Amino acid sequence: NAGVTQTPKFQVLKTGQSMTLQCAQDMNHNSMYWYRQDPGMGLRLIYYSASEGTTDKGEVPNGYNVSRLNKREFSLRLESAAPSQTSVYFCASSSVGNQPQHFGDGTRLSIL
Amino acid sequence: DAKTTQPNSMESNEEEPVHLPCNHSTISGTDYIHWYRQLPSQGPEYVIHGLTSNVNNRMASLAIAEDRKSSTLILHRATLRDAAVYYCIRIQTGANNLFFGTGTRLTVIP
Repeated sequence: NAGVTQTPKFQVLKTGQSMTLQCAQDMNHNSMYWYRQDPGMGLRLIYYSASEGTTDKGEVPNGYNVSRLNKREFSLRLESAAPSQTSVYFCASSSVGNQPQHFGDGTRLSIL
Repeated sequence: DAKTTQPNSMESNEEEPVHLPCNHSTISGTDYIHWYRQLPSQGPEYVIHGLTSNVNNRMASLAIAEDRKSSTLILHRATLRDAAVYYCIRIQTGANNLFFGTGTRLTVIP
């Protein structure tokens, strides 16, 4: 019973490098989300996908792009990483928008 | 404004009930109240949600005030594994995003 799987779990990048964070869910959920969590803070929404084929900006989308590859997979890309993007990134999914969200274990990303 | 207000921290003795308050005074009639918790180094975990009536599940109970401007998450018997940050979130109808805020850090004392 995997739920939401995120890869990788840890990553260190240099400023200017690019990277894609992967997320997959096996619950046949329509909606998927990417959040970031900075130390001592709550989660902030970066992008979400209400259904396959659609994506929308959240609270903090600058510096990121997303792709809803299919119903199962939702990736987050950093085109040119900056130290301000050092954070823990969480992916989540829900059946529809106002239903409970299920979260992955996070990707801890450090940018030097 | 879709945000809620919670105390920064609370303490409870092990095996005693815990009441975690949340204020959402600007809530609209069709907004749901969700509670999540986050254990150290883990992603948030769904706890419970409700609209108007009180709700119970295996993890907790949710008591929603009659005017819906506040709610209380009730852990009936706190254990050490309940030590976490608890987030009260208001979800607007048709919205897809959760505003987490900084939550309430619950410390359970053995």
